[in-house]
Amino acid sequence: SYVLTQPPSVSVAPGKTARITCGGNNIGSKSVHWYQQKPGQAPVLVIYYDSDRPSGIPERFSGSNSGNTATLTISRVEAGDEADYYCQVWDSSSAVFGGGTKLTVL
Amino acid sequence: QVQLQESGPGLVKPSETLSLTCTVSGGSISSYYWSWIRQPAGKGLEWIGRIYTSGSTNYNPSLKSRVTMSVDTSKNQFSLKLSSVTAADTAVYYCARGVITMINGMDVWGQGTTVTVSS
Repeated sequence: SYVLTQPPSVSVAPGKTARITCGGNNIGSKSVHWYQQKPGQAPVLVIYYDSDRPSGIPERFSGSNSGNTATLTISRVEAGDEADYYCQVWDSSSAVFGGGTKLTVL
Repeated sequence: QVQLQESGPGLVKPSETLSLTCTVSGGSISSYYWSWIRQPAGKGLEWIGRIYTSGSTNYNPSLKSRVTMSVDTSKNQFSLKLSSVTAADTAVYYCARGVITMINGMDVWGQGTTVTVSS
């Protein structure tokens, strides 16, 4: 089965740029979605189709995908961005989630 | 604005069947994929399966033998049944909408419902 690998944690200072990676075999050939989940809340889609933003998601959130790594980039990080982030792809009609990355804003 | 609401028993006995329903309000259930995802306390997201409004399904291979999903378009609801549950099935269960034009990104989620498997 397809495996997505994320770093367990990423830390960043306010105002800086956070990059969260999602590794998978030839993930560049798949469409990657990213979800933000704050404590006690349901996940929220922040990036779909590698780099598109749903309405209402700030432009500070962007994504890229190439080779074996997809990346979620959060620019000008704010305290409110502190959350768990999950990448997700579809593989043989099954959804696969990465293990999640906890973003800490210092 | 579309909203999803999960409902069902919060406590299920081991070996019994977990049954949950997701009600779609504020929009049509038609022409979307509808997924169930679960999350054990302190852990990551696990996709259980999805159903299209035509009734076609895809299930997580690791759960496939125990999962059944159905849809009732007249009630704007879809349902999950998970049989032979054990403590390992204790989790928050979410329903979510998959949008074909968003390459099946899941753009609307329910608030989640906690299911505990215990005697």
